[in-house]
Amino acid sequence: GNSVTQMEGPVTLSEEAFLTINCTYTATGYPSLFWYVQYPGEGLQLLLKATKADDKGSNKGFEATYRKETTSFHLEKGSVQVSDSAVYFCALHFGNEKLTFGTGTRLTIIP
Amino acid sequence: EAGVVQSPRYKIIEKKQPVAFWCNPISGHNTLYWYRQNLGQGPELLIRYENEEAVDDSQLPKDRFSAERLKGVDSTLKIQPAELGDSAVYLCASSFGGGSTDTQYFGPGTRLTVL
Repeated sequence: GNSVTQMEGPVTLSEEAFLTINCTYTATGYPSLFWYVQYPGEGLQLLLKATKADDKGSNKGFEATYRKETTSFHLEKGSVQVSDSAVYFCALHFGNEKLTFGTGTRLTIIP
Repeated sequence: EAGVVQSPRYKIIEKKQPVAFWCNPISGHNTLYWYRQNLGQGPELLIRYENEEAVDDSQLPKDRFSAERLKGVDSTLKIQPAELGDSAVYLCASSFGGGSTDTQYFGPGTRLTVL
């Protein structure tokens, strides 16, 4: 079946540090890939997505590139801020099947 | 534009009691989802509706869980009777279509605590 494996947290970084959260997937075909973010006390929000190989999704300074060769969709940001502290979920959606989430990575940015 | 609305935000009940959650999706969204999110985990799909029809309820524990989406808009998820293991956040999401490129928009969730 389809599955998503995420870098385990928690991750703690200093403000302005470079961020990478790893995500790899297993799917029977070529899924769409998503990063969702969950701020404290709020629901999940779509951060970015990519629907085909080599696509790059970007939003709020975050980027992720759909890599078919390595079945990966790593999330990156060049300079994190305290306001980026949240839980980040990688997810895939293939065909008519369900949206499958990873277990989430908790990110804390310290001033 | 209003997002997905859920109520209540929090619910505390004793085991064996019934509980219901309500969801109002984004206007015009035909597809509605209910998810359960256990602590420290990603959401897991319980049921998906296309308009009024439940097209995927394979993960819904039908002995105690039920859902409905009358008129293809609002939806209610019910648990009767609740068990200790049902403590979780119940998320509602909606999308324009149900395909893999359609973005799902999530509500804030209902945090259920079963004592």
